[in-house]
Amino acid sequence: KAGVTQTPRYLIKTRGQQVTLSCSPISGHRSVSWYQQTPGQGLQFLFEYFSETQRNKGNFPGRFSGRQFSNSRSEMNVSTLELGDSALYLCASSLAGQVTEAFFGQGTRLTVV
Amino acid sequence: KQEVTQIPAALSVPEGENLVLNCSFTDSAIYNLQWFRQDPGKGLTSLLLIQSSQREQTSGRLNASLDKSSGRSTLYIAASQPGDSATYLCAVRSGNTGKLIFGQGTTLQVKP
Repeated sequence: KAGVTQTPRYLIKTRGQQVTLSCSPISGHRSVSWYQQTPGQGLQFLFEYFSETQRNKGNFPGRFSGRQFSNSRSEMNVSTLELGDSALYLCASSLAGQVTEAFFGQGTRLTVV
Repeated sequence: KQEVTQIPAALSVPEGENLVLNCSFTDSAIYNLQWFRQDPGKGLTSLLLIQSSQREQTSGRLNASLDKSSGRSTLYIAASQPGDSATYLCAVRSGNTGKLIFGQGTTLQVKP
């Protein structure tokens, strides 16, 4: 069965712009979580959506937002990009969230110049 | 606040060796613990999931144990191969927040 699909794989944006990343979870999975990975901070939790509702949120500024659609696909938006937003953004899906296994996509590499 | 620590940060071994990667966490209130593998520039591949009520899980040459009361998990890799070279990440699902909290990882190099 198809895994977690993230698009695009690579993005280059200019400081001040905004960006939208997409994540399609494994079929049947209702929970989608987003993570930011940087060499200095490692993997940090952004937010989790379950059945179109944000169930959990990490400690990121309001420039980072997300949503989930009725087909469980999720998007993450970052507005007013800063150089420090350059990172690998990873999406994970799981069947029901907290007690089930998380499966990750290949990530979107965002570079802000 | 849950914190996850992985030791060592890096490890280099000759092919064929058995090895152990360590993961410790500060709060025993967890739903489960998951081990992942990450190749450079790639996403995470799930290796093993251990529920809080379990003591260990096995998959092929991999065996993971969990001691919730002491806040420790180990990943045992038998007969290591060059293809095992990657970064191994441990993550706990917090029983308080539901968030998946990661360690910084152990970068493994297996030399032919």
